[in-house]
Amino acid sequence: QKEVEQDPGPLSVPEGAIVSLNCTYSNSAFQYFMWYRQYSRKGPELLMYTYSSGNKEDGRFTAQVDKSSKYISLFIRDSQPSDSATYLCAMSPNTNAGKSTFGDGTTLTVKP
Amino acid sequence: EAQVTQNPRYLITVTGKKLTVTCSQNMNHEYMSWYRQDPGLGLRQIYYSMNVEVTDKGDVPEGYKVSRKEKRNFPLILESPSPNQTSLYFCASSSWDRENIQYFGAGTRLSVL
Repeated sequence: QKEVEQDPGPLSVPEGAIVSLNCTYSNSAFQYFMWYRQYSRKGPELLMYTYSSGNKEDGRFTAQVDKSSKYISLFIRDSQPSDSATYLCAMSPNTNAGKSTFGDGTTLTVKP
Repeated sequence: EAQVTQNPRYLITVTGKKLTVTCSQNMNHEYMSWYRQDPGLGLRQIYYSMNVEVTDKGDVPEGYKVSRKEKRNFPLILESPSPNQTSLYFCASSSWDRENIQYFGAGTRLSVL
């Protein structure tokens, strides 16, 4: 069983929809939680970064971490065609600097 | 401009012919990593380096070598490439104080025939 499981998708939504992207994990040592966005033919770029449980908001994006359920989510409000990309969740234990475990990614398409 | 530069972007080679993929970062980052990305398997770490001359194996190190002789460079070496190493490779770097925030290169698509 993988340490990090990500909803496989693909996901296709109309412009303006609210999108929910989700990951579950099994390693209770994970303390840092990241979401990366990867456009076609590009490398991943960091979108959201959270430490431990709670919510973090940045514009139209909200990252949510529930450590008790070992579940993280990324919400995108008012989705735009430019949000079409693959979204990767990543997690890291607090003692293992520079070593993250990634989910497989969810490909999102936002249709105009 | 802060960036991680990989070369080449695309490479087609044959089984057994040694190759090197270069990676360079201009952010003075301590940490550097190599990943491979395969459909259905996601991003898997090959090797990582915490600083010059300090490297460690990731999840899938077999068939790969790395070196970190200079802080800015972290080349990935395939001594005897095989078809199962056909993949999309990414180099990434991060700083000691925000090590989990990784900056990725644009990727190297490798095909081994």
